Amino acid sequence: DTGVSQNPRHKITKRGQNVTFRCDPISEHNRLYWYRQTLGQGPEFLTYFQNEAQLEKSRLLSDRFSAERPKGSFSTLEIQRTEQGDSAMYLCASSLRWTQSAGELFFGEGSRLTVL
Amino acid sequence: KNEVEQSPQNLTAQEGEFITINCSYSVGISALHWLQQHPGGGIVSLFMLSSGKKKHGRLIATINIQEKHSSLHITASHPRDSAVYICAVDQGNLIFGKGTKLSVKP
Repeated sequence: DTGVSQNPRHKITKRGQNVTFRCDPISEHNRLYWYRQTLGQGPEFLTYFQNEAQLEKSRLLSDRFSAERPKGSFSTLEIQRTEQGDSAMYLCASSLRWTQSAGELFFGEGSRLTVL
Repeated sequence: KNEVEQSPQNLTAQEGEFITINCSYSVGISALHWLQQHPGGGIVSLFMLSSGKKKHGRLIATINIQEKHSSLHITASHPRDSAVYICAVDQGNLIFGKGTKLSVKP
Protein backbone atom coordinates (compact mmCIF):
# COMPACT_ATOMS: atom_id res chain seq x y z
CA ASP A 1 0.00 0.00 0.00
CA THR A 2 1.36 3.43 -0.92
CA GLY A 3 -0.32 5.36 1.89
CA VAL A 4 -2.86 8.15 1.67
CA SER A 5 -2.84 9.86 -1.70
CA GLN A 6 -4.23 13.31 -2.46
CA ASN A 7 -4.76 14.97 -5.81
CA PRO A 8 -4.04 17.48 -7.09
CA ARG A 9 -1.11 18.53 -4.92
CA HIS A 10 -1.44 22.14 -5.99
CA LYS A 11 -4.37 24.05 -7.43
CA ILE A 12 -4.44 27.69 -8.44
CA THR A 13 -7.84 29.05 -9.35
CA LYS A 14 -9.63 32.32 -9.84
CA ARG A 15 -12.17 33.53 -7.34
CA GLY A 16 -15.62 32.19 -8.11
CA GLN A 17 -14.45 28.97 -9.73
CA ASN A 18 -15.25 25.51 -8.39
CA VAL A 19 -12.48 23.14 -7.31
CA THR A 20 -12.49 19.46 -6.38
CA PHE A 21 -9.90 17.54 -4.39
CA ARG A 22 -9.60 13.80 -4.18
CA CYS A 23 -8.32 11.62 -1.38
CA ASP A 24 -7.49 7.93 -1.71
CA PRO A 25 -7.09 6.45 1.78
CA ILE A 26 -5.17 3.35 2.75
CA SER A 27 -7.06 0.29 1.59
CA GLU A 28 -9.62 -1.00 4.09
CA HIS A 29 -9.37 2.09 6.29
CA ASN A 30 -12.93 2.84 7.29
CA ARG A 31 -12.37 6.34 8.70
CA LEU A 32 -11.53 9.27 6.45
CA TYR A 33 -11.03 12.84 7.65
CA TRP A 34 -10.76 16.16 5.87
CA TYR A 35 -8.92 19.08 7.47
CA ARG A 36 -7.79 22.50 6.43
CA GLN A 37 -4.58 24.17 7.50
CA THR A 38 -3.44 27.74 6.94
CA LEU A 39 0.11 28.94 7.39
CA GLY A 40 1.27 28.84 10.99
CA GLN A 41 -1.96 27.33 12.27
CA GLY A 42 -2.92 23.86 13.40
CA PRO A 43 -5.26 21.71 11.31
CA GLU A 44 -8.93 22.71 11.38
CA PHE A 45 -11.61 20.03 11.18
CA LEU A 46 -13.85 20.03 8.10
CA THR A 47 -15.65 16.69 8.02
CA TYR A 48 -15.19 12.96 8.45
CA PHE A 49 -16.61 9.68 7.20
CA GLN A 50 -17.13 6.22 8.61
CA ASN A 51 -17.20 4.12 5.45
CA GLU A 52 -19.57 6.00 3.13
CA ALA A 53 -21.46 7.78 5.91
CA GLN A 54 -20.58 11.40 6.62
CA LEU A 55 -20.70 11.53 10.42
CA GLU A 56 -19.98 15.18 11.13
CA LYS A 57 -19.45 18.42 9.33
CA SER A 58 -17.85 21.49 10.85
CA ARG A 59 -20.18 24.34 11.71
CA LEU A 60 -17.51 26.60 10.24
CA LEU A 61 -18.02 25.03 6.85
CA SER A 62 -20.30 27.00 4.58
CA ASP A 63 -22.69 25.38 2.15
CA ARG A 64 -20.11 26.02 -0.57
CA PHE A 65 -18.20 23.02 0.76
CA SER A 66 -19.35 19.47 0.13
CA ALA A 67 -17.69 16.12 0.57
CA GLU A 68 -18.57 12.64 -0.55
CA ARG A 69 -17.29 9.14 -0.10
CA PRO A 70 -19.68 7.26 -2.34
CA LYS A 71 -18.34 3.72 -2.07
CA GLY A 72 -16.55 4.00 1.22
CA SER A 73 -13.18 4.16 -0.48
CA PHE A 74 -11.92 7.40 -2.05
CA SER A 75 -13.42 10.76 -1.10
CA THR A 76 -13.86 14.09 -2.86
CA LEU A 77 -14.04 17.56 -1.36
CA GLU A 78 -15.63 20.21 -3.57
CA ILE A 79 -15.53 23.94 -2.98
CA GLN A 80 -17.97 25.95 -5.04
CA ARG A 81 -17.59 29.65 -5.85
CA THR A 82 -14.16 29.83 -4.27
CA GLU A 83 -13.14 32.85 -2.24
CA GLN A 84 -9.68 34.12 -1.38
CA GLY A 85 -10.24 33.01 2.22
CA ASP A 86 -10.44 29.43 1.01
CA SER A 87 -6.73 29.48 0.21
CA ALA A 88 -5.19 26.83 2.44
CA MET A 89 -3.74 23.34 2.55
CA TYR A 90 -6.49 20.72 2.48
CA LEU A 91 -5.45 17.58 4.32
CA CYS A 92 -6.87 14.11 4.27
CA ALA A 93 -6.22 11.40 6.85
CA SER A 94 -7.45 7.86 7.25
CA SER A 95 -7.54 5.25 9.98
CA LEU A 96 -8.97 1.85 10.80
CA ARG A 97 -11.40 2.14 13.66
CA TRP A 98 -13.16 -0.68 15.49
CA THR A 99 -16.16 0.28 17.64
CA GLN A 100 -14.76 2.64 20.28
CA SER A 101 -11.11 1.89 19.61
CA ALA A 102 -9.28 4.60 17.75
CA GLY A 103 -6.83 3.70 15.03
CA GLU A 104 -3.48 5.17 14.08
CA LEU A 105 -3.77 8.13 11.74
CA PHE A 106 -2.18 8.28 8.33
CA PHE A 107 -2.07 11.63 6.56
CA GLY A 108 -1.77 12.51 2.91
CA GLU A 109 0.64 15.16 1.69
CA GLY A 110 -2.20 17.63 1.27
CA SER A 111 -3.66 19.64 -1.59
CA ARG A 112 -2.65 23.29 -1.60
CA LEU A 113 -5.29 25.68 -2.89
CA THR A 114 -4.52 29.22 -3.97
CA VAL A 115 -7.46 31.42 -4.89
CA LEU A 116 -6.50 34.52 -6.85
CA LYS B 1 -11.28 28.20 25.95
CA ASN B 2 -9.98 25.74 23.37
CA GLU B 3 -10.80 22.10 23.96
CA VAL B 4 -7.16 21.15 23.39
CA GLU B 5 -4.41 23.34 24.78
CA GLN B 6 -0.72 22.83 24.07
CA SER B 7 2.23 24.41 25.79
CA PRO B 8 4.58 25.91 25.08
CA GLN B 9 3.65 27.42 21.72
CA ASN B 10 7.30 27.85 20.80
CA LEU B 11 10.34 26.12 22.20
CA THR B 12 14.00 26.61 21.45
CA ALA B 13 16.49 24.11 22.83
CA GLN B 14 20.17 23.29 22.52
CA GLU B 15 21.16 20.00 21.01
CA GLY B 16 21.20 17.30 23.66
CA GLU B 17 18.59 18.87 25.93
CA PHE B 18 15.58 17.00 27.31
CA ILE B 19 12.37 18.46 25.93
CA THR B 20 8.81 18.28 27.21
CA ILE B 21 5.69 19.39 25.37
CA ASN B 22 2.37 19.38 27.19
CA CYS B 23 -1.20 18.86 26.06
CA SER B 24 -4.32 19.39 28.15
CA TYR B 25 -7.84 18.69 26.99
CA SER B 26 -11.32 19.23 28.35
CA VAL B 27 -13.42 16.61 26.56
CA GLY B 28 -13.89 12.88 26.87
CA ILE B 29 -11.67 10.97 24.48
CA SER B 30 -11.02 7.46 23.23
CA ALA B 31 -7.40 8.22 22.37
CA LEU B 32 -4.84 10.97 22.01
CA HIS B 33 -2.46 11.35 19.08
CA TRP B 34 0.91 13.05 18.93
CA LEU B 35 1.79 14.20 15.43
CA GLN B 36 4.89 15.72 13.86
CA GLN B 37 4.95 18.19 10.99
CA HIS B 38 8.18 19.39 9.39
CA PRO B 39 8.23 22.75 7.57
CA GLY B 40 6.58 22.31 4.20
CA GLY B 41 6.08 18.65 4.97
CA GLY B 42 3.25 16.33 5.67
CA ILE B 43 1.98 15.20 9.05
CA VAL B 44 3.31 11.99 10.56
CA SER B 45 1.81 10.11 13.46
CA LEU B 46 4.23 9.60 16.34
CA PHE B 47 2.03 8.00 18.98
CA MET B 48 -1.52 7.01 19.68
CA LEU B 49 -2.29 6.69 23.39
CA SER B 50 -5.31 5.64 25.37
CA SER B 51 -3.51 5.07 28.66
CA GLY B 52 -0.09 4.90 30.27
CA LYS B 53 3.11 5.44 28.38
CA LYS B 54 4.71 4.61 25.05
CA LYS B 55 8.31 4.86 23.92
CA HIS B 56 9.81 4.93 20.45
CA GLY B 57 13.50 5.61 20.21
CA ARG B 58 14.20 8.96 21.88
CA LEU B 59 10.52 9.85 22.07
CA ILE B 60 8.30 9.10 25.04
CA ALA B 61 4.61 9.91 25.35
CA THR B 62 2.52 9.69 28.50
CA ILE B 63 -1.13 10.26 29.22
CA ASN B 64 -3.11 10.72 32.43
CA ILE B 65 -6.76 10.14 31.59
CA GLN B 66 -8.02 11.29 35.00
CA GLU B 67 -6.17 14.60 34.75
CA LYS B 68 -6.83 14.93 30.99
CA HIS B 69 -3.21 15.63 30.31
CA SER B 70 -0.52 14.21 28.05
CA SER B 71 3.17 14.93 27.61
CA LEU B 72 5.61 14.29 24.80
CA HIS B 73 9.25 14.00 25.82
CA ILE B 74 12.29 14.04 23.58
CA THR B 75 15.53 12.84 25.09
CA ALA B 76 18.94 13.89 23.73
CA SER B 77 17.33 16.33 21.30
CA HIS B 78 18.85 16.80 17.86
CA PRO B 79 18.44 19.54 15.21
CA ARG B 80 16.51 17.07 13.06
CA ASP B 81 13.83 17.03 15.77
CA SER B 82 12.99 20.61 14.78
CA ALA B 83 9.36 20.54 13.71
CA VAL B 84 5.86 21.39 14.85
CA TYR B 85 4.42 18.86 17.30
CA ILE B 86 0.66 18.62 17.38
CA CYS B 87 -1.58 16.99 19.94
CA ALA B 88 -4.95 15.72 18.70
CA VAL B 89 -7.69 14.13 20.76
CA ASP B 90 -9.96 11.48 19.32
CA GLN B 91 -13.62 11.59 20.25
CA GLY B 92 -14.84 10.08 17.01
CA ASN B 93 -13.81 13.24 15.33
CA LEU B 94 -10.35 14.68 15.96
CA ILE B 95 -9.72 17.96 17.73
CA PHE B 96 -6.27 19.43 17.20
CA GLY B 97 -4.15 21.61 19.39
CA LYS B 98 -2.47 24.60 17.79
CA GLY B 99 0.91 22.89 17.85
CA THR B 100 4.28 23.52 19.47
CA LYS B 101 7.05 24.77 17.23
CA LEU B 102 10.32 23.22 18.34
CA SER B 103 13.69 24.46 17.20
CA VAL B 104 16.78 22.57 18.29
CA LYS B 105 20.03 24.47 17.83
CA PRO B 106 23.34 22.64 17.20
